[in-house]
Formats: sequence, C-alpha cells, structure tokens
Amino acid sequence: QVQLVESGGGVVQPGGSLRLSCAASGIDVTNFGIHWVRQAPGKGLEWVAIIRYDGRNKYNTDSVKGRFTISRDNSKNTVYLQMNSLRPEDAAVYYCAKDLGFWTSYYYMDVWGKGTTVTVSS
Amino acid sequence: EVVLTQSPATLSVSPGESATLSCRASQSDNSDLAWYQQKPGQAPRLLIYDASNRATGIPARFSGSGSGTDFTFTINSLEPEDSAVYYCQQRTVFGGGTKVEIK
Repeated sequence: QVQLVESGGGVVQPGGSLRLSCAASGIDVTNFGIHWVRQAPGKGLEWVAIIRYDGRNKYNTDSVKGRFTISRDNSKNTVYLQMNSLRPEDAAVYYCAKDLGFWTSYYYMDVWGKGTTVTVSS
Repeated sequence: EVVLTQSPATLSVSPGESATLSCRASQSDNSDLAWYQQKPGQAPRLLIYDASNRATGIPARFSGSGSGTDFTFTINSLEPEDSAVYYCQQRTVFGGGTKVEIK
C-alpha cells in the first residue's frame, strides 16, 4: 500500500524557515516524481514544486522561487521542502503527492498525503 | 501560463441526478487534464486523467471528456457521498473548483 506522510509544519514568524518532510512507503521515490501542493485556508489548490524521479530535475512555482527548495534523501525514501523567508501568504496546508508516471512525470497526482499545516504569523 | 476557469462555482443537485462541470483553459494543451475530488478536511483524490481516463478504483459513474480548451466532467446517479469540491488541473495549474452540493 502506497502511503505518503507529511511532517514539519508549524507556526513560524514572517521571514522564518521551516523544513517539511514527506516520507514515502510502498514505493521507491527514485521511480516517481513527488509534488508539493498547498492550500491556503478556504482557498483552492496551488502547485508548489516537483522533484522528478531522477532527483536532478526540480521545478517550483514562481511565487516561491529563490525561497523554497525541494530535495530528496533516497536512503530515507523521503522528500523535503525547505521553506525560507516565509511570508504570511505562504500559510497553508501543504500536501505531498506522488506523480502517476513511472520514470516520467505526467503531473497527475494519484497518491496524496494528509497534509501538514504551516502558519506564518507574528 | 494557462488559466483554468471552472463553472459553475456551485452546483446543487438531487440524489440520483447527474451533475455536469465545466473547465475551460485559456490556451490549448491537448488533453492533459485531470479532475480531482476534495471533501472537507481531506486531501484531494485523483478521479480522471488525460481528460477521460478513470483513475484506479474510480466508479464508472464518474466520467470526463473534452480536448483543446473545453473539458467536461460528469457525475451520473449522484450519491450523498459525492458532495465535495471538484478541481480540474493541467500540469502546474489548478482551476478554482466547483462545489457540488447534494440537495
């Protein structure tokens, strides 16, 4: 059974940092792309970043460029989202999700974690 | 970047009836479109990909169609459990969602 479990959320002041983790089980993250998607309170879904199966190709949305970094630890089968210079508008539930594609990225997300909440407030 | 516009914003339908949702893209991106269901307090669930392919375990009463810039998602024989927000998605862009309410 494929499962993704996020952790690392919390309350942080504007300008602060957090590192989110997405621990995968039932799959090898070196075979699938992993996405981060966020949802601000009462709002819709916003794609944040992807690390592709090869671990080398990484992309993120413009609003987090230069502030958020996606990475992976193959030995722990875990994907991370390092978030720096956090802003109030980054407050959201952050989900990690598995790409449907095997050794490719379709940008369809077929397995999701339950999410971790990030609050940015002074 | 493509913009996905979903309509209507809210749809109220009686059990057993059908619901039809629309997703319009600001530019054509062939058929690379997905539909997700999200219930309150839950993560989204993939229902449809490539515009018309049902994801694993999704009942046949959920269907999708369309290509280019106009896509449609249909739920037949609505059940109370189908009450949710439905999102369309193309690659890194999500639509604003349609809330389906069961009367």
